[in-house]
Amino acid sequence: EDQVTQSPEALRLQEGESSSLNCSYTVSGLRGLFWYRQDPGKGPEFLFTLYSAGEEKEKERLKATLTKKESFLHITAPKPEDSATYLCAVQAGGSQGNLIFGKGTKLSVKP
Amino acid sequence: NAGVTQTPKFRILKIGQSMTLQCTQDMNHNYMYWYRQDPGMGLKLIYYSVGAGITDKGEVPNGYNVSRSTTEDFPLRLELAAPSQTSVYFCASSSRTGGYGYTFGSGTRLTVV
Repeated sequence: EDQVTQSPEALRLQEGESSSLNCSYTVSGLRGLFWYRQDPGKGPEFLFTLYSAGEEKEKERLKATLTKKESFLHITAPKPEDSATYLCAVQAGGSQGNLIFGKGTKLSVKP
Repeated sequence: NAGVTQTPKFRILKIGQSMTLQCTQDMNHNYMYWYRQDPGMGLKLIYYSVGAGITDKGEVPNGYNVSRSTTEDFPLRLELAAPSQTSVYFCASSSRTGGYGYTFGSGTRLTVV
């Protein structure tokens, strides 16, 4: 069964304290791994797509990496505005674009 | 550039009532999806469409119906609402099979009492 597990469920950081969020996945034929950011009361916002092990992508203070079993979202020197829930999702081979989502990691960054 | 527009934003239904959640996108995307998000749970796929006139079931389709008569619109119909359908519903679209990322609407928060 295809599934996505994110850890930790919640993470509290001080401003400037770097850390990583984990996304472990089991999927039959990975077509892509996706990271989204979701603010309270809003829809998820697309961040990255990773396709193959070893691939990395960056956007401002965020860097996503991918191995054959998991992905990490590294947050460098976070700011309070980085506070949000971060969602990981995978697309299985043969799917019509539908994604399987993890439950998310709620990140809080305190000034 | 509106992206994906969902209406209404909030709705309270009584058990047994029906309603339609509206979703419109202006990006000429072929692929559209309906997900529900329950507290502490991941987004679950209800229905999806790969183009006008083509729809298919996702992981949790029971109690819902969809139609896709145009590229722009993908309404979700709830028949005989039940408390288990209390959730936040998100519509999303993508230009290809998800590879370039979904664009999500802002959601409809539905409560069935």
